[in-house]
Amino acid sequence: GENVEQHPSTLSVQEGDSAVIKCTYSDSASNYFPWYKQELGKRPQLIIDIRSNVGEKKDQRIAVTLNKTAKHFSLHITETQPEDSAVYFCAASSTNAGKSTFGDGTTLTVKP
Amino acid sequence: DAMVIQNPRYQVTQFGKPVTLSCSQTLNHNVMYWYQQKSSQAPKLLFHYYDKDFNNEADTPDNFQSRRPNTSFCFLDIRSPGLGDAAMYLCATSRLGLRDTQYFGPGTRLTVL
Repeated sequence: GENVEQHPSTLSVQEGDSAVIKCTYSDSASNYFPWYKQELGKRPQLIIDIRSNVGEKKDQRIAVTLNKTAKHFSLHITETQPEDSAVYFCAASSTNAGKSTFGDGTTLTVKP
Repeated sequence: DAMVIQNPRYQVTQFGKPVTLSCSQTLNHNVMYWYQQKSSQAPKLLFHYYDKDFNNEADTPDNFQSRRPNTSFCFLDIRSPGLGDAAMYLCATSRLGLRDTQYFGPGTRLTVL
């Protein structure tokens, strides 16, 4: 089955710096890669996603890149703010296999 | 507002006593999911319904069952809860399936005594 590895598990940055979180996946059939932000005690919420026919997608301070050959994708947050502090999960979905697998999460702390 | 609603938000049950968690949605989405999330861990997909088609993850214990009587409602039944089943249970929906954005409910936190 699909295996999604996410790194780092914790990340601490200074406000205004950039943060990068990386995920690798094992199933070449995976074709949809969402990123979720989960604040303490709250539900996961989609922040950005990318499909397998696209290499990069950007939404204001957030961007995601996908390298299908290497089977990895990354989340980039620029100009970080304290309210970006949360746990971030990547996920890989394969409609062929009918599976959706999450990474283990990255706890991002943005220090004022 | 269109949304995913879960009831109850907190559920306490005794070891071995069956429990049912409820999810409803006003988004009219075709797909509904149940995830289990333990503390400091990623959500783990238990199963999902594409319309009435039930899809069970291979490693979901038989202790967990699900029902979807109509488009709007989906239930998670835990037949004999064990201490290891204490977790947050998240319901989610998507319009088209696994290649589409999932919208999560607020979750039900299950405690097993």
